[in-house]
Amino acid sequence: KAGVTQTPRYLIKTRGQQVTLSCSPISGHRSVSWYQQTPGQGLQFLFEYFSETQRNKGNFPGRFSGRQFSNSRSEMNVSTLELGDSALYLCASSLELGPGALHFGNGTRLTVT
Amino acid sequence: AQSVTQPDIHITVSEGASLELRCNYSYGATPYLFWYVQSPGQGLQLLLKYFSGDTLVQGIKGFEAEFKRSQSSFNLRKPSVHWSDAAEYFCAVGARGNAGNMLTFGGGTRLMVKP
Repeated sequence: KAGVTQTPRYLIKTRGQQVTLSCSPISGHRSVSWYQQTPGQGLQFLFEYFSETQRNKGNFPGRFSGRQFSNSRSEMNVSTLELGDSALYLCASSLELGPGALHFGNGTRLTVT
Repeated sequence: AQSVTQPDIHITVSEGASLELRCNYSYGATPYLFWYVQSPGQGLQLLLKYFSGDTLVQGIKGFEAEFKRSQSSFNLRKPSVHWSDAAEYFCAVGARGNAGNMLTFGGGTRLMVKP
């Protein structure tokens, strides 16, 4: 069974631009979570979707948004990029809502210049 | 709100030596507890989890962890480390109730293995 797939793997954007990251969960998984990983702040929860509904949201500004489609694929969007948004963005899927084991993708490395 | 502390940022052990990575959590009740491992350029892989029951939990790759309620700890152990264990290790807590899969992670411990 294929794992969690995140695209693209690497992305370079300029301040002020917006970006969309994509995540395809493991087949059959209905929960998708997003995490931001930076050297300074570590791993921080962004949001979680289940059956196309946002179930939880972390403490991030409104520039960070996401959605989930009927096939459980998810996208996250960051508008008006700032230098501090440079990070590894990790997507994780789970069969059901908590507290199941999260299966992580390899992430999208976003660099904002 | 829950929090997780991993006191050791870096640990170096010799191959074949035993390993213990420390994790302390703060949570009002018994949390769900996890250990994940991350190799360079990779995502996180679940090593083991504790939900309830036996406080000694066995995981993959020969790892185990012990939940100690009195010490609010969930330390990860391995009796004999292999060079391939070099990676970063994260302890995480999840809240009980309707919290979904939201996890709070510790800052991580980077493990280096000497030949």
